[in-house]
Amino acid sequence: SQTIHQWPATLVQPVGSPLSLECTVEGTSNPNLYWYRQAAGRGLQLLFYSVGIGQISSEVPQNLSASRPQDRQFILSSKKLLLSDSGFYLCAHANYGYTFGSGTRLTVV
Amino acid sequence: TQLLEQSPQFLSIQEGENLTVYCNSSSVFSSLQWYRQEPGEGPVLLVTVVTGGEVKKLKRLTFQFGDARKDSSLHITAAQPGDTGLYLCAGGGTSGSRLTFGEGTQLTVNP
Repeated sequence: SQTIHQWPATLVQPVGSPLSLECTVEGTSNPNLYWYRQAAGRGLQLLFYSVGIGQISSEVPQNLSASRPQDRQFILSSKKLLLSDSGFYLCAHANYGYTFGSGTRLTVV
Repeated sequence: TQLLEQSPQFLSIQEGENLTVYCNSSSVFSSLQWYRQEPGEGPVLLVTVVTGGEVKKLKRLTFQFGDARKDSSLHITAAQPGDTGLYLCAGGGTSGSRLTFGEGTQLTVNP
């Protein structure tokens, strides 16, 4: 079966510090992978998606970047966090319906 | 840009009541999905509808895709506290394509 792992679950980081969130997928090959950010109790904003290794598309200009070093690994990064980067970050893979990870609650202080 | 509007934004009802949540767009979608999300968790797929006019039932939940494939509804019969959560609709194209999400309906079912 297909599973998706995302970590850490919660993270508190100071402004200006770097960020690295990791997402890995099991049970599928060459998945389409996505990073979303969600404001409290609201819809999902697509940040990045990837259709293959090294292929990244950005949906909105921002302080974040993404990389896909391996087929089943998707990483969300920042060199210097801003207060506005706080939020709930979700990784997902698509296979006629999205399967989401359990999310990372990021608080920038 | 394809947009999906969900209504109502918030809904608070008593256990045993019925409710309907709506998802509307001016765009045509090849498929429409509904997700349910609990606090601190990722959304979980409930159903996918792909044919205009299609109706799917999942226990007390009934999902309908509009004839023109621009809108959808979710009806819950005899709501229970366990139905509490954020309900998200999402429209998409072919398998694996990007989804457009609505802003969600926050449902609270009070015992």
